[in-house]
Amino acid sequence: GQQLNQSPQSMFIQEGEDVSMNCTSSSIFNTWLWYKQEPGEGPVLLIALYKAGELTSNGRLTAQFGITRKDSFLNISASIPSDVGIYFCAGHHMEYGNKLVFGAGTILRVKS
Amino acid sequence: AAGVIQSPRHLIKEKRETATLKCYPIPRHDTVYWYQQGPGQDPQFLISFYEKMQSDKGSIPDRFSAQQFSDYHSELNMSSLELGDSALYFCASSFGSFYGYTFGSGTRLTVV
Repeated sequence: GQQLNQSPQSMFIQEGEDVSMNCTSSSIFNTWLWYKQEPGEGPVLLIALYKAGELTSNGRLTAQFGITRKDSFLNISASIPSDVGIYFCAGHHMEYGNKLVFGAGTILRVKS
Repeated sequence: AAGVIQSPRHLIKEKRETATLKCYPIPRHDTVYWYQQGPGQDPQFLISFYEKMQSDKGSIPDRFSAQQFSDYHSELNMSSLELGDSALYFCASSFGSFYGYTFGSGTRLTVV
């Protein structure tokens, strides 16, 4: 079935540093979503991308939908301690049904 | 803004018992999705409903069933519970196939 390869698996960075994570797939998606999840809570939508090549920002977050529709990246600039959490990419394509296909997640830890 | 409401937040059941999880989608959202997330894993799609009809089915065990009611809330019924059913169960809702795809805070089910 469809799979998303998300990397890195985890990052331990200094406060103030920039962070970059990405997802790739052998399958095409029409929508890419980036979520952040904190322990015991549901995933919170950070950025949604609906068009190939689209570059979208949300505060210190920037994400891009790859032109091939098979990849996406998320950048976080000037990280702060509250950025700690697990970041998931998720893809959607009607051919695969209604579900979101999730990456395995990137665990982000920030040291102040 | 109103979010997806799930109840209960926590549930402890014994093996072979039955559990019912409830989900109240964001107002005017017509699609509800259920996901299961084991420890350290990404969410796995179980089932979805659009306008009260099942629209997609994932890796949902036969012991589980779900439905969406006339007020668009949904219930996930889980019978003959097994230890391996212990997980976080998330509901998400959207308008149409994926617009505004938002997760609830989840129900943590522990089977003992």
